Amino acid sequence: GESVGLHLPTLSVQEGDNSIINCAYSNSASDYFIWYKQESGKGPQFIIDIRSNMDKRQGQRVTVLLNKTVKHLSLQIAATQPGDSAVYFCAEMNTGFQKLVFGTGTRLLVSP
Amino acid sequence: DGGITQSPKYLFRKEGQNVTLSCEQNLNHDAMYWYRQDPGQGLRLIYYSQIVNDFQKGDIAEGYSVSREKKESFPLTVTSAQKNPTAFYLCATRTRTRNTEAFFGQGTRLTVV
Repeated sequence: GESVGLHLPTLSVQEGDNSIINCAYSNSASDYFIWYKQESGKGPQFIIDIRSNMDKRQGQRVTVLLNKTVKHLSLQIAATQPGDSAVYFCAEMNTGFQKLVFGTGTRLLVSP
Repeated sequence: DGGITQSPKYLFRKEGQNVTLSCEQNLNHDAMYWYRQDPGQGLRLIYYSQIVNDFQKGDIAEGYSVSREKKESFPLTVTSAQKNPTAFYLCATRTRTRNTEAFFGQGTRLTVV
């Protein structure tokens, strides 16, 4: 079946460092791959997405990379700040079916 | 004030009882989703609905039921058949015009004792 998973459950970085969060996926039929951020006690919030026909997409302080050959997705956060501390989920969607599937998440801890 | 309202925030039920979690939205979004989140884990899809009067099973639908009689509402019933119902339940909506951005409610924490 479909699955979206992550390599590292917890990532600890220093403030100002760049962070890289990784994700592996198994459903090659997905049209989009997405990153969400969940702060404690809240629902996830959309960060950035990438279409399956792209390799890289940049946002504000974030970059998502997609490697379809090895079915790998990553989120890079530049100049990580304490406010970036949260759990980050990768997700995938097949727009034909409207099904949005999430991975297990990585906790990012940013220390001052 | 637009948004997604999940109620109640905390819910306690005795084992063997059915319980219904509410999700209401005034964003005029077509698609609605229910996810379950267990401590330290990701979101698992229970059910989703693309339009009124239509819904599909997600990855863990057993022991749950839903209805979509109105665009604004997508209630989730946790039945006694769900073997381990204690969890954090999240409702989300999405508009077809913004394909991948789902908006989440604040969640309902269900505890079955």
